[in-house]
Amino acid sequence: GENVEQHPSTLSVQEGDSAVIKCTYSDSASNYFPWYKQELGKRPQLIIDIRSNVGEKKDQRIAVTLNKTAKHFSLHITETQPEDSAVYFCAASMGYSSASKIIFGSGTRLSIRP
Amino acid sequence: EAGVAQSPRYKIIEKRQSVAFWCNPISGHATLYWYQQILGQGPKLLIQFQNNGVVDDSQLPKDRFSAERLKGVDSTLKIQPAKLEDSAVYLCASSLEFSAYEQYFGPGTRLTVT
Repeated sequence: GENVEQHPSTLSVQEGDSAVIKCTYSDSASNYFPWYKQELGKRPQLIIDIRSNVGEKKDQRIAVTLNKTAKHFSLHITETQPEDSAVYFCAASMGYSSASKIIFGSGTRLSIRP
Repeated sequence: EAGVAQSPRYKIIEKRQSVAFWCNPISGHATLYWYQQILGQGPKLLIQFQNNGVVDDSQLPKDRFSAERLKGVDSTLKIQPAKLEDSAVYLCASSLEFSAYEQYFGPGTRLTVT
């Protein structure tokens, strides 16, 4: 079955700098890669996703890149702000099927230093 | 639109006791998921329903966990008897039929087994 590995497990960056979180997946059939943000004590919330027919997607300060050949994808956050502090989870799925399930990475705790 | 509802939000029980969690998905969402999230880890899928049928329960510890989704709407997850290692947050999520693309999570139930 699918396995998703996420690095680093913790990341601390200066406010205003960029943060990059990387994930690899094992199943080449996976075609949907969402990223979730989970603030302390709150539910995971989808912040951006990418499908396998594109290599990059951007939404304001957040971007995700996908390399299908290498089976890895990354989350990039630019101009980081204090409210970006949270745990970020990557995930992979053979989506678009009611039988599809999302496999999550282990999470990255991002801290933004003032 | 109302989000995914879960209750209770917190539960403390002793080992070997039983406990039940309730979830009400977003109206119109045919697919419902139960996840277990142990502290410091990503959510792990326990069971997935499509309407009132089970699609995937391969990671559900069936000797002690059970779940049902009568009438294809609300769902309950039960643990009997509970073990110390069941301490976790139990997240319910839902998505539109035939699409695992966007899962919406509930606030979760934090279970502590002492």
